[in-house]
Amino acid sequence: GQNIDQPTEMTATEGAIVQINCTYQTSGFNGLFWYQQHAGEAPTFLSYNVLDGLEEKGRFSSFLSRSKGYSYLLLKELQMKDSASYLCAVRFIRSNDYKLSFGAGTTVTVRA
Amino acid sequence: DTEVTQTPKHLVMGMTNKKSLKCEQHMGHRAMYWYKQKAKKPPELMFVYSYEKLSINESVPSRFSPECPNSSLLNLHLHALQPEDSALYLCASSQEASGLSGYTFGSGTRLTVV
Repeated sequence: GQNIDQPTEMTATEGAIVQINCTYQTSGFNGLFWYQQHAGEAPTFLSYNVLDGLEEKGRFSSFLSRSKGYSYLLLKELQMKDSASYLCAVRFIRSNDYKLSFGAGTTVTVRA
Repeated sequence: DTEVTQTPKHLVMGMTNKKSLKCEQHMGHRAMYWYKQKAKKPPELMFVYSYEKLSINESVPSRFSPECPNSSLLNLHLHALQPEDSALYLCASSQEASGLSGYTFGSGTRLTVV
């Protein structure tokens, strides 16, 4: 498999900051996505990184280090509605086929 | 229209039934995907269609049969399923199979096999 690893659960307080780490196998790497998924719903796109560095989008930022096979998603000013599963997904290319593979997801619980 | 629409939203079927899941998009995307997601697990790729041709089959059992009748539609035909096939089935699309411009997911069909 692609060995996409992320923590299972994280808990934080409303208004706080949480950082979700993701590591992946670097062979065939072709881009990394972060998705938010509420229970029983479709994943919704949050961010995309293909080059090293930080991408900022409002309260959400995502960082990538290709040489380390490492990314993180930073959620600032947490709100109750941010309680969800956050999926790290990596696009790999193998034998000219592109595949999007997901990590197991990190369940974030925001407490008042 | 920037959505992927899946029908039905919920489906309960017996192990001897034949049913179909439908997926539709009108964004002009030429790649479409089926994923299976069990509770508290990540989505797992099943099939990829590129320009209406099957390009990837992730060793999915033959009781799942995909079909892409045109560039906007993707079906998943189900026959003789097992209770362990109960899951959320997600359809997705992208402009090209490379996914360079990102992926759009439908809201899924919640399938229960009894």
